[in-house]
Amino acid sequence: QVQLVQSGAEVKKPGASVKVSCKTSGYTFTSHGINWVRQAPGQRLEWMGWFNPANVNTRYSQKFQGRVTFTGDTFAGTVYMELSSLLSEDTAVYYCARSTFFYDGGTWYPTSFDPWGQGTLVTVSS
Amino acid sequence: DIQLTQSPSFLSASVGDRVTITCRASQGIRSYLAWYQQKPGKAPNLLIYAASTLQSGVPSRFSGSGSGTEFTLTISSLQPEDFATYYCQPLNSYPITFGQGTRLEIK
Repeated sequence: QVQLVQSGAEVKKPGASVKVSCKTSGYTFTSHGINWVRQAPGQRLEWMGWFNPANVNTRYSQKFQGRVTFTGDTFAGTVYMELSSLLSEDTAVYYCARSTFFYDGGTWYPTSFDPWGQGTLVTVSS
Repeated sequence: DIQLTQSPSFLSASVGDRVTITCRASQGIRSYLAWYQQKPGKAPNLLIYAASTLQSGVPSRFSGSGSGTEFTLTISSLQPEDFATYYCQPLNSYPITFGQGTRLEIK
């Protein structure tokens, strides 16, 4: 079955970077995109962007533009999310989630997210 | 950005009850809306996509309706495993956002 398995919890100091992996299995890696969503303690879900393994295209939320990078390894079936210049407010659970894409009004959008990885807790603390 | 208003924020109900959660968007999104269920400490789980299509494997007591700016998620007869937080998500506008969530608790 389709599975997304993420790397383990991380503790980082302010100003550092973190790289989280999302290993996919059970489907053709290049047939679906991977979205990244985070959730700070007690807060709503926050979309960070997507990575399309088929063409290595990315779309980042403006909030994270310049601080986040998505990359992929087709042979390993894995997508990576790197977030730099970490602040305490970046403490959150980070999720990857699979989607396809649809075209509407001149723009590509992700479809609904399914399935999701189990989440990776990133704690930023001095 | 699309502004989402999900209501209620908190709902207390009993097993067997019928409950409805509403999601209102600040601009029309046609039927590009999904609903998710999230249990404590777990990743969200897709329930409904395209406003009213039940995701495979999701019990038929869940249903979705609406288009444009107003959408509803209905659970026809609450089961103990349904007590969780529910989020709506419009999909045809950037940034992709989520509603603030509806926490459904046992009365």
